[in-house]
Amino acid sequence: GAVVSQHPSWVICKSGTSVKIECRSLDFQATTMFWYRQFPKQSLMLMATSNEGSKATYEQGVEKDKFLINHASLTLSTLTVTSAHPEDSSFYICSASPGPAGEQYFGPGTRLTVT
Amino acid sequence: KQEVTQIPAALSVPEGENLVLNCSFTDSAIYNLQWFRQDPGKGLTSLLLIQSSQREQTSGRLNASLDKSSGRSTLYIAASQPGDSATYLCAVRNAGNMLTFGGGTRLMVKP
Repeated sequence: GAVVSQHPSWVICKSGTSVKIECRSLDFQATTMFWYRQFPKQSLMLMATSNEGSKATYEQGVEKDKFLINHASLTLSTLTVTSAHPEDSSFYICSASPGPAGEQYFGPGTRLTVT
Repeated sequence: KQEVTQIPAALSVPEGENLVLNCSFTDSAIYNLQWFRQDPGKGLTSLLLIQSSQREQTSGRLNASLDKSSGRSTLYIAASQPGDSATYLCAVRNAGNMLTFGGGTRLMVKP
């Protein structure tokens, strides 16, 4: 149980375009989802926390207008990188939690390369 | 603000050795601490989760300890194997269900 999927697993896009990444909890309802970014040989940095049906809370330094997060249902959250630039190239990982005090279950990650 | 540090950053050992990975955190008011494994280009695999009231957890060849008052945790890997080669991440959970990750230890076990 507690499986989280991400789609796509990797994506290459041109500078200036937008990319959407999906995060799904497959066998549980996730009231809270988290989005992390990981640069090569670095650890995970939390970008934002989203609760189903409400606006996401962004960490300091993360542009909310650039990284659009939607958590429209209890099993799906999306991260849209708008007007992507090469410096946005990174590994994006989501996690999902069944409740505010529940354990986080991590997705397999999405490798984004912006050319 | 919680800060998590992992030492060493990288470790290379011959197969069969027992080894210890260290994790320290600055704010002892944690709910739990979790150890993850990450293979290159992959997501996270949860290894062990220790609640703040616990002192250690064991799973197979892995043993994790927690000393909350001193802000330290260790992950002990017994009889290391080449398949253990990966990056090991320590993460602590504070209020609000937020996880703060350490920088990781890149482990290489040589045959």
